[in-house]
Amino acid sequence: GAGVSQSPSNKVTEKGKDVELRCDPISGHTALYWYRQSLGQGLEFLIYFQGNSAPDKSGLPSDRFSAERTGGSVSTLTIQRTQQEDSAVYLCASSLEIGNNEQFFGPGTRLTVL
Amino acid sequence: QKEVEQDPGPLSVPEGAIVSLNCTYSNSAFQYFMWYRQYSRKGPELLMYTYSSGNKEDGRFTAQVDKSSKYISLFIRDSQPSDSATYLCAMRKGGSNYKLTFGKGTLLTVNP
Repeated sequence: GAGVSQSPSNKVTEKGKDVELRCDPISGHTALYWYRQSLGQGLEFLIYFQGNSAPDKSGLPSDRFSAERTGGSVSTLTIQRTQQEDSAVYLCASSLEIGNNEQFFGPGTRLTVL
Repeated sequence: QKEVEQDPGPLSVPEGAIVSLNCTYSNSAFQYFMWYRQYSRKGPELLMYTYSSGNKEDGRFTAQVDKSSKYISLFIRDSQPSDSATYLCAMRKGGSNYKLTFGKGTLLTVNP
């Protein structure tokens, strides 16, 4: 079946604007994860969902970041009042269930904040 | 000190060479160990994961974990130009901690 898809693939925005990034996990996967990949920091965990619930939000860098998942499927990562340091590739992954170590990644959304 | 350290390279080898990629970690709570391959402008792709110390083989790839030394390796035999990519190690603690902690990745180029 189809893999994890993310949209948009690229997003350029101005500092201070809000952005929404979307992730469509593999059908039937109940666990969903968001990561951020930047040159200086490598790949960092942001948040994961078990179904529609996000038990661990410790990786979100600030309160400008939020995420939700509805219907146990699509997830949206929202960044409010974007800053230049938010520029990175935002990656989404899903796994069949939480605790399954086989996480399948999407192609990412490349965010550039001017 | 970061929890997971990985030499960023770059590493350049001739086709057919044996490649050794390594990560060290500082937290003994890590129990699950993965290797991902990432091509340029693509998402990471899981190559292998292991739970215990020892070796695990899959085709040309062998993953090795030494928990006593907090050291993991990925060996690629008969390397091919198509193996040229960034290789990321990742680790997870046990129990209800589902967060993956990644190394920064090693850029590998296999020259024909």
